[in-house]
Amino acid sequence: NAGVMQNPRHLVRRRGQEARLRCSPMKGHSHVYWYRQLPEEGLKFMVYLQKENIIDESGMPKERFSAEFPKEGPSILRIQQVVRGDSAAYFCASSLDLGPISHTDTQYFGPGTRLTVL
Amino acid sequence: SQQGEEDPQALSIQEGENATMNCSYKTSINNLQWYRQNSGRGLVHLILIRSNEREKHSGRLRVTLDTSKKSSSLLITASRAADTASYFCATGDSGGSNYKLTFGKGTLLTVNP
Repeated sequence: NAGVMQNPRHLVRRRGQEARLRCSPMKGHSHVYWYRQLPEEGLKFMVYLQKENIIDESGMPKERFSAEFPKEGPSILRIQQVVRGDSAAYFCASSLDLGPISHTDTQYFGPGTRLTVL
Repeated sequence: SQQGEEDPQALSIQEGENATMNCSYKTSINNLQWYRQNSGRGLVHLILIRSNEREKHSGRLRVTLDTSKKSSSLLITASRAADTASYFCATGDSGGSNYKLTFGKGTLLTVNP
């Protein structure tokens, strides 16, 4: 059973460009979470998605950031018009779906995408 | 409020010794999880302890939780050089958003061979 997969592992963008980060959850997992880790910091929650639904985006900046988890394909975190302050490691996690409203507490993390904005 | 503050920030020990890391938090929690992160890599889930549990073991790991003191400890026994990593505690709120993990800044553990 493959773990959570993220790509690319490293992404370099110039200021003003767009960054698209992809995450494929573990098999059987339909809950996806995105976190951001700044240097020397712990991870900070950004957004929680289920298939075709954004459940909680309270940790995501209102401007320039968006996330989706389509019915088919990976979850995408999109950052438009990147700035230097967006440079960070972005981690995706997934958890198991036990039913319509519940999920296990354990989140399994991917290897992360390290975004560098020049 | 800031949750999941690990202590110490850095710990250096010799192989074979035990390593103890502590975590404090401020609000009510549903569970507390410990993760390991090797330099430049993703997080590996180590252990989850629920708010109604006091102690949990997994191999060389022992986790305790004291909800009255809002603190947890992670003990790694008979440490190995491969245990060198950053260790994070993460708390899930007791409310409806328990999926929203709050991480501390971590403890950097160095195990010297």
